[in-house]
Amino acid sequence: DVKVTQSSRYLVKRTGEKVFLECVQDMDHENMFWYRQDPGLGLRLIYFSYDVKMKEKGDIPEGYSVSREKKERFSLILESASTNQTSMYLCASSHSPGTGSISNQPQHFGDGTRLSIL
Amino acid sequence: GENVEQHPSTLSVQEGDSAVIKCTYSDSASNYFPWYKQELGKRPQLIIDIRSNVGEKKDQRIAVTLNKTAKHFSLHITETQPEDSAVYFCAHKPNVLGNQFYFGTGTSLTVIP
Repeated sequence: DVKVTQSSRYLVKRTGEKVFLECVQDMDHENMFWYRQDPGLGLRLIYFSYDVKMKEKGDIPEGYSVSREKKERFSLILESASTNQTSMYLCASSHSPGTGSISNQPQHFGDGTRLSIL
Repeated sequence: GENVEQHPSTLSVQEGDSAVIKCTYSDSASNYFPWYKQELGKRPQLIIDIRSNVGEKKDQRIAVTLNKTAKHFSLHITETQPEDSAVYFCAHKPNVLGNQFYFGTGTSLTVIP
C-alpha cells in the first residue's frame, strides 16, 4: 500500500516566518505534488515535480517554492508566511510507468498539514 | 480548458437512496477521470477511476459513467449508507503526456439514516 507521510498534522507559525512542509513517499513514485485545500475551492495545485531536482509551477505558486533533492522527498517552502496562506496543505505522489493510457495513474495523498499563520 | 465544474456542491439523501454527482470538463484531450472520497479529517482516497476508452465502470455500489462527446462524467452511488457521507472530488487529466490533475470543488454528501 502506498504511504505518503507529511511531517506535521498541525502547524502554527507567525507572519514573516520561513515555513517548511515536508512530504515523503515510500513507493518510488516519480511524481510528487503539493496542493492547498480551502472550503469551496477544492484542491488547488501549488507545485509539482516529475523527477529529482525538477519542478513545475501549478496554478497558485506565488509565495511558495519547492525542493526535491531526493526522489522520495518533496518539500514545500513558504518564503515569508502570510495570513492568507493559512490552509490545509496536501501532498500527493503518483507513478509514471510509461506513455499512453497506461501512464494514467492515480495520485495518492498524505494526511495533510493544517497550517495556521498568525 | 483545464477546469472542471462539479455539481451539486451539497447533496443530502435518505439511506438506501441513490446519489449522483456530475462533473463537466472542456478539454477534449482529457483521458483519465478519477474520483476521490474525503472523510472528515482524513486524506482524499481514490474510490474509482475511468479511462477514456470506456464509457462505464462499476465497483459494487459505486459506478462512474463517461460521456466524451458531451464532456461530462458522473459518479453514481446506489443503496447509500451513512458511511458514504463524505466530500467527493472529481478530477481529470487533460494532458496525455503530463501528470497534472485538475480537481472539482467537491460535493459534500450527507446520507440521512
